[in-house]
Amino acid sequence: QQQVKQSPQSLIVQKGGISIINCAYENTAFDYFPWYQQFPGKGPALLIAIRPDVSEKKEGRFTISFNKSAKQFSLHIMDSQPGDSATYFCAAITNFGNEKLTFGTGTRLTIIP
Amino acid sequence: EPEVTQTPSHQVTQMGQEVILRCVPISNHLYFYWYRQILGQKVEFLVSFYNNEISEKSEIFDDQFSVERPDGSNFTLKIRSTKLEDSAMYFCATSTGRNTEAFFGQGTRLTVV
Repeated sequence: QQQVKQSPQSLIVQKGGISIINCAYENTAFDYFPWYQQFPGKGPALLIAIRPDVSEKKEGRFTISFNKSAKQFSLHIMDSQPGDSATYFCAAITNFGNEKLTFGTGTRLTIIP
Repeated sequence: EPEVTQTPSHQVTQMGQEVILRCVPISNHLYFYWYRQILGQKVEFLVSFYNNEISEKSEIFDDQFSVERPDGSNFTLKIRSTKLEDSAMYFCATSTGRNTEAFFGQGTRLTVV
């Protein structure tokens, strides 16, 4: 129940296209859903995050869509660029003082010219 | 931009030896975490630390592991007797409070031979 399931495991998108990564969870106590971007040899860096009281959050080319009833959320990268090539992790935190991040399994995104 | 600093960047140790991984948190952060990432796998929570004590630990964080903040600045992870399966990237993360952005360090690659 503590798991966050992420798909696909890897994704290849042409430059300018839309990259879509999906996550699902079971634990209804999760109430903060960040996405992290990780480049090789680096630590994860927060990209964008959402709370379940909104259905969508947009920051530049990055959008999170959140479906509370389905317990699913997704990351959309519009106009994908080669610099977006990285591993993306969705994550979740519970609402009762438990500060740990539960990460999804990661998606390796490759943007090709 | 403030950052979390980890040392060393790479540590090679013989099985059974003790290792200490060090982290300098961002100065006004109060919550400290250790995560690990086995090569090609997801990031896993090890332990969270607040107000000079462990607030939560995972099943991975057994008696071989310990954390402390000995001088009020550095935050350390000690593995008493390393095993081959401890080989991983270890990330320190810090945050200002609950359900806020966690900033990750660049990681320490631990190789146990």
